[in-house]
Amino acid sequence: NAGVTQTPKFQVLKTGQSMTLQCAQDMNHEYMSWYRQDPGMGLRLIHYSVGAGITDQGEVPNGYNVSRSTTEDFPLRLLSAAPSQTSVYFCASSYTRQDSGANVLTFGAGSRLTVL
Amino acid sequence: AQKITQTQPGMFVQEKEAVTLDCTYDTSDPSYGLFWYKQPSSGEMIFLIYQGSYDQQNATEGRYSLNFQKARKSANLVISASQLGDSAMYFCAMREPYNTDKLIFGTGTRLQVFP
Repeated sequence: NAGVTQTPKFQVLKTGQSMTLQCAQDMNHEYMSWYRQDPGMGLRLIHYSVGAGITDQGEVPNGYNVSRSTTEDFPLRLLSAAPSQTSVYFCASSYTRQDSGANVLTFGAGSRLTVL
Repeated sequence: AQKITQTQPGMFVQEKEAVTLDCTYDTSDPSYGLFWYKQPSSGEMIFLIYQGSYDQQNATEGRYSLNFQKARKSANLVISASQLGDSAMYFCAMREPYNTDKLIFGTGTRLQVFP
């Protein structure tokens, strides 16, 4: 299993450009989510999906779009990039621990986005 | 609203010593879960330990243990026998009620282990 795979790892955009951060997992996890990490603010939830065809907004959804056409893929689209979207983005999927029954997020390696 | 507070921006500990990283939380729901993640300088988020609100015993995972004090709403991470490789950011997180997978994160504590 490759786990959660994010691409690209680094990206520089100009204000107003659009782009898609790719996220794929090969563990057949139903739940996937996107977080952003900014200095001094921890991770904040952007969008999440509980299964193919179902998505919902998190804490900071403005300026981002998602879709979930398959269980494996959960891309994050920036519609018109702004400097405020400069951040590190993490994709995650959820698995259930057999010992505790807790759902635990496993994260991708992160994508560092800079918007000029 | 649920909230996680980590009041220690940075901590230092000598190798082989134990260290406690503080985490307090706020929720009015009786059912919740608490997590700790480690983020080394390479940037990935690594799950360390989980505590459910109804768990009677404190969670342990190898050198990591969670000092869960429900009445005080604290969930401190204890790392025993610190190693140089423990130097990293540590994040406390809480699972939102009624949704098993959405997490609210604290701002993190940077731990530095020195020889």
